Amino acid sequence: AQSVAQPEDQVNVAEGNPLTVKCTYSVSGNPYLFWYVQYPNRGLQFLLKYITGDNLVKGSYGFEAEFNKSQTSFHLKKPSALVSDSALYFCAVRRTDSWGKLQFGAGTQVVVTP
Amino acid sequence: DGGITQSPKYLFRKEGQNVTLSCEQNLNHDAMYWYRQDPGQGLRLIYYSQIVNDFQKGDIAEGYSVSREKKESFPLTVTSAQKNPTAFYLCASSILTGGDYGYTFGSGTRLTVV
Repeated sequence: AQSVAQPEDQVNVAEGNPLTVKCTYSVSGNPYLFWYVQYPNRGLQFLLKYITGDNLVKGSYGFEAEFNKSQTSFHLKKPSALVSDSALYFCAVRRTDSWGKLQFGAGTQVVVTP
Repeated sequence: DGGITQSPKYLFRKEGQNVTLSCEQNLNHDAMYWYRQDPGQGLRLIYYSQIVNDFQKGDIAEGYSVSREKKESFPLTVTSAQKNPTAFYLCASSILTGGDYGYTFGSGTRLTVV
């Protein structure tokens, strides 16, 4: 079965501390992996993607993610969190059993406190 | 600027009424999608379309209908058969070939039953 898991419903972090949002996936073949962010009452915004190449991917707003094939993970990271990073984060993987439809995780709410 | 536009931003429905949510994209994307999001929840796929005049049911299609008469447009009708339609509705689009399969999302429509 093809799936993506975000094991934490919520992540709490103090401003200035490192932020990590976890994502693991299960897909046959080479994965296409994405992170999106959603602010309240808004659509999802693209943060970054891994298609091929370097395992460390840099994206928008200072975020980065590390692709780990052996652990089938694609964790999102930010070295120093801001209060404005408080939002809902979604990991997604392109399904290889269909024509490119994305499978989304359940989302992780990030709360950054001052 | 290319993008995907959802309208209206807020919509109120009386019991027993059908309402239609608009989704238009000028990205020349092949595929379009409708998702439902309940408070604090993830995305649930309602309908999707790969090509004009063709669409498929997603995970929660009951009580909804769509059409794809033009490549740019993918309206969603919430029918009276949908017993709990209050939710945030998101439209998305993507390239199917020659791209990275990432989605572009609209800003959403919040539907409330009054």
